[in-house]
This record gives sequence, C-alpha cells and structure tokens, in this order.
Amino acid sequence: GENVEQHPSTLSVQEGDSAVIKCTYSDSASNYFPWYKQELGKRPQLIIDIRSNVGEKKDQRIAVTLNKTAKHFSLHITETQPEDSAVYFCAANAAGNKLTFGGGTRVLVKP
Amino acid sequence: NAGVTQTPKFQVLKTGQSMTLQCAQDMNHNSMYWYRQDPGMGLRLIYYSASEGTTDKGEVPNGYNVSRLNKREFSLRLESAAPSQTSVYFCASSPSSGQGVWGYTFGSGTRLTVV
Repeated sequence: GENVEQHPSTLSVQEGDSAVIKCTYSDSASNYFPWYKQELGKRPQLIIDIRSNVGEKKDQRIAVTLNKTAKHFSLHITETQPEDSAVYFCAANAAGNKLTFGGGTRVLVKP
Repeated sequence: NAGVTQTPKFQVLKTGQSMTLQCAQDMNHNSMYWYRQDPGMGLRLIYYSASEGTTDKGEVPNGYNVSRLNKREFSLRLESAAPSQTSVYFCASSPSSGQGVWGYTFGSGTRLTVV
C-alpha cells in the first residue's frame, strides 16, 4: 500500500521567515496530494491540495510543489505569522480513494 | 450546515466495556472514514466506506467494527475496549467516488480513554 513520509517532525521559525515541509510517497499511481493544518485540540482542516497534472499551486502565503518523477511534494509557507503555528499533515491518495497521511510536522512560529 | 458531527466528544471506558462512536454528515458525501490519532503516530485509517452499503478495513482494524447505516451515518464500535485503544478518533467524509478523489472534511473528534 501507499507509504507517506514527512520531514521534519518539528520546525521552529522566526516570524516573517519561510517554512518548508517535505513529503515523499511510494505509490506511483497516487494523483492527489492534500495538506491539512491541525491546531491544538482541533480537527485537521484542508488548507491546500494539488493534483498530479500540475507542478505547483499557490494560495496567498501558501504554495505546494509536486515532483512526480521523484515522488515528493512540499508545502511552502512564506511570511510566517504566529497563527501559522500548528501541526501540518501531508497525505496522498491510495486505492479505494482513501488517504494515507504523513506523520505530521509541528511548526512553531516565534514572534 | 453542520458538516461532520461526531458523538460523544469525550468518553472514559473500563477495560472490556463496549461502546459505539457515532458519525453523521450532511454534505451528501459518498465516502466516510474512521481514523485514530495517537501522539507521534499521525492519522491511521481504521475502516472506511467508499459508498453506502460497503465497508473495508484500513491500516489498523483489529478490535473495531463499523456500520454504514445509510449515506449520512457511519458508526465505529469497540466490542471489548483495551487500554491500547486510548486515542483520539476522527470521522471524516469526502465526495470521492469512482469519478475522482477529493479531500476530507473531518469531525471534531472523540477523545477516548480506556482504563
């Protein structure tokens, strides 16, 4: 089945700097890659997603890139703010339209 | 529009007790899922239902059963709770179907402690 690895597990950045989280996947048939943000004690919420027919997608300060050949995708957050502090999960779809999640990255934005 | 509603939000069980976690969605989604979230382990799939009338095992199904009661509701049952089942349980739904895959909407979670 699909295996998704996510790095780093924790990331501390200064407010205003950029943050980058990287994920790799194993199943070459995967074609959908969403990212979720989970604030402390809350549910995961979809923040951006990308499909395999595009290489990059942006939404304000957030962007995701995909390299199908290397089977990895990344989340980029620019001009980080304290409210960006959360746990971020990447995911990739597997057979049966289910998602396999990475282990998560705890992001701390220091003011 | 409530989205995905889970009950209860918190539960404490004694080892060996049983319980059912309820989940309902009002978005007319085809697919529903149950995940558990443990510290440092991310989200692991317990069971899923790709459409009304079907259920399939995920990564960690042992000790659980599910019922897709109708298109809206997908319940998770623990027949004989064990301390290893202490976790936060999330239900999710998605419009995914044979025509394509889409992201999930998650419920607010159930924090279960087994003592």
